[in-house]
Amino acid sequence: DAGVIQSPRHEVTEMGQEVTLRCKPISGHDYLFWYRQTMMRGLELLIYFNNNVPIDDSGMPEDRFSAKMPNASFSTLKIQPSEPRDSAVYFCASSLPGGYEKLFFGSGTQLSVL
Amino acid sequence: QKEVEQNSGPLSVPEGAIASLNCTYSDRGSQSFFWYRQYSGKSPELIMSIYSNGDKEDGRFTAQLNKASQYVSLLIRDSQPSDSATYLCAVNYGNNNDMRFGAGTRLTVKP
Repeated sequence: DAGVIQSPRHEVTEMGQEVTLRCKPISGHDYLFWYRQTMMRGLELLIYFNNNVPIDDSGMPEDRFSAKMPNASFSTLKIQPSEPRDSAVYFCASSLPGGYEKLFFGSGTQLSVL
Repeated sequence: QKEVEQNSGPLSVPEGAIASLNCTYSDRGSQSFFWYRQYSGKSPELIMSIYSNGDKEDGRFTAQLNKASQYVSLLIRDSQPSDSATYLCAVNYGNNNDMRFGAGTRLTVKP
């Protein structure tokens, strides 16, 4: 298996622009997580899905952020409009059914908002 | 509030020494606990998991859990320069896979 695949690896955009981050989880994993990592705040859980259904989005910072999972093999995290404080590494992770399982992380997307 | 607290470090130990990393968590109902290692510029990778009180050993790594004190630790014996990384403590809150991470402790092992 290729692991969790994220795209793009790097994204540089200007304030006010829309940004879309993409994730393909490992086949057979039914949990998908979006995390954001910064030096100041560490690794923060933004939202997670189970069987394509959002379970907890309390970590989404504000209405500018939205996430979707239209099917078991694809998820997006969208920021509209983007702001410089959104600059961070965004990780997608997936895990097997049943809970208590390890997370498999993608390589992350380094987002810079100028 | 689901909190996981770690000393951010940096923690510096000489090669061959024991590195001790600590973590506390806020929710007594937490069921499972993990240590992830993250090299600079890379994604986190799981190195240890522990579910019951006591010690769990895997090679040079030992995880220790004390649920009464809400405390998890990771010991790295015979530390190597290749162990230099940030170590993230993670706690699974409840049965629905809600995984929260601490801020991480940066470890440097000096040759």
